Amino acid sequence: KAGVTQTPRYLIKTRGQQVTLSCSPISGHRSVSWYQQTPGQGLQFLFEYFSETQRNKGNFPGRFSGRQFSNSRSEMNVSTLELGDSALYLCASSLQDQSSYNSPLHFGNGTRLTVT
Amino acid sequence: QKEVEQNSGPLSVPEGAIASLNCTYSDRGSQSFFWYRQYSGKSPELIMSIYSNGDKEDGRFTAQLNKASQYVSLLIRDSQPSDSATYLCAVNLPELTFGTGTQLKVEL
Repeated sequence: KAGVTQTPRYLIKTRGQQVTLSCSPISGHRSVSWYQQTPGQGLQFLFEYFSETQRNKGNFPGRFSGRQFSNSRSEMNVSTLELGDSALYLCASSLQDQSSYNSPLHFGNGTRLTVT
Repeated sequence: QKEVEQNSGPLSVPEGAIASLNCTYSDRGSQSFFWYRQYSGKSPELIMSIYSNGDKEDGRFTAQLNKASQYVSLLIRDSQPSDSATYLCAVNLPELTFGTGTQLKVEL
């Protein structure tokens, strides 16, 4: 069974630009969650989508948004990029939503975003 | 504020020893607890899940959960150099919230 696939693997953008990251979950998984990982803050929850609906959102500004399609694939968008947005963005999928019992997350390889 | 706390380490153990990694969490209502391993430059990989008080064993790994003390731990027996990684504790709060991780170094 194929794992979680994230594209692209690496991105370099300049301040003020916007970026879209893509995630294809494990087949059959309906929940997709996004995390930001930085050396100082660790893994920070961005948002979760389940059946095309945002279920939960972390403490990030409105510049960070996402969506999920009917095939469970998800995209994350960051507008007006800032230097501090440089991070590893990880997508994870699970069978059920995060509040469900026994529904661990399975992570993709991540997208490394560098903002200059 | 809902939190998951881990000692950042590094925790150094000799090859063949038992490594003990600890984690505390803030929400008494949490139901699901996970340990992930992350090698440098890689994404987190699920190694253990635990949902009930007590111990759960899987090969060289044992997860221990004490909900009354809001404490979860991971024991790695017969530690190998390949176990050298950062270990992340994750708790549903209700979104899956990660600790900052404990760096484990297994020395020859």
